[in-house]
Amino acid sequence: DVKVTQSSRYLVKRTGEKVFLECVQDMDHENMFWYRQDPGLGLRLIYFSYDVKMKEKGDIPEGYSVSREKKERFSLILESASTNQTSMYLCASRQDRDQETQYFGPGTRLLVL
Amino acid sequence: GQQVMQIPQYQHVQEGEDFTTYCNSSTTLSNIQWYKQRPGGHPVFLIQLVKSGEVKKQKRLTFQFGEAKKNSSLHITATQTTDVGTYFCAGMDSSYKLIFGSGTRLLVRP
Repeated sequence: DVKVTQSSRYLVKRTGEKVFLECVQDMDHENMFWYRQDPGLGLRLIYFSYDVKMKEKGDIPEGYSVSREKKERFSLILESASTNQTSMYLCASRQDRDQETQYFGPGTRLLVL
Repeated sequence: GQQVMQIPQYQHVQEGEDFTTYCNSSTTLSNIQWYKQRPGGHPVFLIQLVKSGEVKKQKRLTFQFGEAKKNSSLHITATQTTDVGTYFCAGMDSSYKLIFGSGTRLLVRP
């Protein structure tokens, strides 16, 4: 069974803080993704990575950065958290670039005060 | 950018009634996937459709991919309380990114 884990289920931070969200997958997948989920908006892609040290912007990268130093780990960084970044953050991984299911982590619900 | 529209946003049905959710893409898709997210949970893969006009069934669930590969539907026959959750379609674009629809939240009255 593929396992995607995220470092925290719930997180409360203050405006202006630097926030790190960690994601680890145990199936040697090449591809990893960060989404945020908001009511009525579905899942929106923030950043993704097809290989170690490689990253590409998704649809809403502003205010975020990522790091992929090891194949199994993909980190999402909020450089200076703002209240509009309060959301559910979902990490996912996938083996192949095409025609393969994505496995999601349990999500991190972030509240920025 | 490419968009995948999904309707309805909510559906409240009596147990035993049927349910359908629809997805439409602004462009042709390589494939389409369907996910289910239970309340408080994370999206879980249900199925993938690749071929034009493809129809797949999983017990009471029927998935269709349109002839033009721009639309898809999920139909549940005789809903049960265990079907409760949000159903997402996700189309894969030419750069291998999944574009998610906004989801349809299904509520089932026992």
